[in-house]
Amino acid sequence: SYELIQPPSETVSPGQTARISCSGDELGIKHASWYQQKPGQSPVLVIYHNDKRPSGIPERFSGSNSGNTATLTISGTQVMDEADYYCQAWDSSTAIFGGGTKLTVL
Amino acid sequence: VQLVESGGGLVQPGGSLRLSCAASGFTFPTYAITWVRQAPGKGLEWVSLISGSGVNTYYAESVKGRFTISRDNSRNSLFLQMNSLRAEDTAVYYCAKGTVPVALFDAFDIWGQGTMVTVSS
Repeated sequence: SYELIQPPSETVSPGQTARISCSGDELGIKHASWYQQKPGQSPVLVIYHNDKRPSGIPERFSGSNSGNTATLTISGTQVMDEADYYCQAWDSSTAIFGGGTKLTVL
Repeated sequence: VQLVESGGGLVQPGGSLRLSCAASGFTFPTYAITWVRQAPGKGLEWVSLISGSGVNTYYAESVKGRFTISRDNSRNSLFLQMNSLRAEDTAVYYCAKGTVPVALFDAFDIWGQGTMVTVSS
């Protein structure tokens, strides 16, 4: 079955650029999405269709997808960006989520 | 735009539960809706998807044959009938809306607050 692999954790200093990867077989030919989830809250869509930002999502969030890897980039990371991040794609009529990456900002 | 889940609770193994998701603020019949669950301390797991018309349904292998997704477009409501529940079905269950009208396999742009299902004796 199809899998999306994310690093369990990433740490970034405030103001720096955070990059979270998501790997899957030929992921680049699929549409990747990214969700942010803070403790005790529902997930929030931050990137869809590889690189599109929903309204209300800050411009510091961007996405790319090529080859076997999709990447969520947060430029000028803020303390409020500390959260779990999940990538997601569809394969054979099944939605696949990555295992999630805990982003720590300190 | 809002989704509100209800119907969660404590149920014994082998039991049944029916979750509901009430939608408002958008043209409900136009969008595919999905159920996603999250076990305590774990990641997100997709459960099921239904097309806007309700004709097409899809399930994760882990729930196929036990769960049934349905919708009532006249009442802007989504349902998940869960039978033969197991301990591993314990999770917060979220309903979520597709991003693009009519599209099936899309991102989920609006999520409900979730409803907790606990399967335990």
